[in-house]
Amino acid sequence: AQTVTQSQPEMSVQEAETVTLSCTYDTSESDYYLFWYKQPPSRQMILVIRQEAYKQQNATENRFSVNFQKAAKSFSLKISDSQLGDAAMYFCAYYAGANSKLTFGKGITLSVRP
Amino acid sequence: GAVVSQHPSRVICKSGTSVKIECRSLDFQATTMFWYRQFPKKSLMLMATSNEGSKATYEQGVEKDKFLINHASLTLSTLTVTSAHPEDSSFYICSADTHGGGLAGGRPNEQFFGPGTRLTVL
Repeated sequence: AQTVTQSQPEMSVQEAETVTLSCTYDTSESDYYLFWYKQPPSRQMILVIRQEAYKQQNATENRFSVNFQKAAKSFSLKISDSQLGDAAMYFCAYYAGANSKLTFGKGITLSVRP
Repeated sequence: GAVVSQHPSRVICKSGTSVKIECRSLDFQATTMFWYRQFPKKSLMLMATSNEGSKATYEQGVEKDKFLINHASLTLSTLTVTSAHPEDSSFYICSADTHGGGLAGGRPNEQFFGPGTRLTVL
């Protein structure tokens, strides 16, 4: 079974600084997708960024970028120029196969210090 | 973008009563919808996968007779918590899939999440 591990329950970053959230996963599949979701205090799930496993290039979305290491099964999220609005829970998620279910990590609570 | 709504956003009910939560895809058709449960500061726990026109597939440990799911149309799925008890109090989130499931090459099926429903059972 696929598993997603987020080992850090909490992190804090100074406004305007850069922070990296870590995620590892386990799978025997060769074709899959990885996601980072943001859940702010409103609890609305928001897709931050996605990565297709077959792509070698790391995905980027404005201030958000990933470091995808397929051999190491690692998928970290880097947030540059952190803003107060980035404070939220962040979930790493994995998707593959015919079951079409998202497998979520435990999440990490990110706080941003003004 | 694709929008998913949930109704109600918040509900308080007495123990023993049943509560229905609606999940609607507003601007797209969703053959597959998912229901999650989330406790404070915890991850989303998949309860069941709802396919239009067929019976839902429940995850292990989820009581199908307690959490009734109906997906009668391509834009609506409902979750009914029957004979609710205080331990059923939680945050329930639905998501809707834009396609029928599976990778099928290229981009995967998109899942769009509803804003959630907070259920409190007294």
